[in-house]
Amino acid sequence: ETGVTQTPRHLVMGMTNKKSLKCEQHLGHNAMYWYKQSAKKPLELMFVYSLEERVENNSVPSRFSPECPNSSHLFLHLHTLQPEDSALYLCASSPWDSTDTQYFGPGTRLTVL
Amino acid sequence: DQQVKQNSPSLSVQEGRISILNCDYTNSMFDYFLWYKKYPAEGPTFLISISSIKDKNEDGRFTVFLNKSAKHLSLHIVPSQPGDSAVYFCAASARRQGGSEKLVFGKGTKLTVNP
Repeated sequence: ETGVTQTPRHLVMGMTNKKSLKCEQHLGHNAMYWYKQSAKKPLELMFVYSLEERVENNSVPSRFSPECPNSSHLFLHLHTLQPEDSALYLCASSPWDSTDTQYFGPGTRLTVL
Repeated sequence: DQQVKQNSPSLSVQEGRISILNCDYTNSMFDYFLWYKKYPAEGPTFLISISSIKDKNEDGRFTVFLNKSAKHLSLHIVPSQPGDSAVYFCAASARRQGGSEKLVFGKGTKLTVNP
């Protein structure tokens, strides 16, 4: 499979659940990103990993916990989310030296009940 | 405060005519601009970009114009085709600043091209 893949594509969870979003890139990139897209809002950058180290955390609540075990995989662990966290979560990757040329996955549509 | 603004949430155009999508920015440090296109149920895909040293970049039917003094850029699609119907996001980054070249996105404009 090529490009950036994300699983699951859709997720419904209760506020007390724990779930994880997975992102995998097959482009040989070594920077990866999590974005949140809420209705009628711009894409919001959440986390940046470059060379497997977290280099940016945009004041994201601790109920979102990223993990980057290697340059091809990125996870977003979710626990005790709120209904306002319902959104499209997009993963992206790029070369570490060209971080504004990003390739996006299809996203996970998350609904928190 | 939004640094990248796309003031038109939607645009409807007839097939074969020109589509013009506009984007304004407030941060004078931005020096690289991109347009992404997003179909439903897919992630955004890179379409075209322009560096601040240029005022125009063309790629087939797509042309991006940059007016630095007005802090304004636009994407022209001509001729428009029904397959161009999608949400278009404008994004900007400050490459000169060094560090992570964070992309700042606008809210997007939904383009509908009618047959």
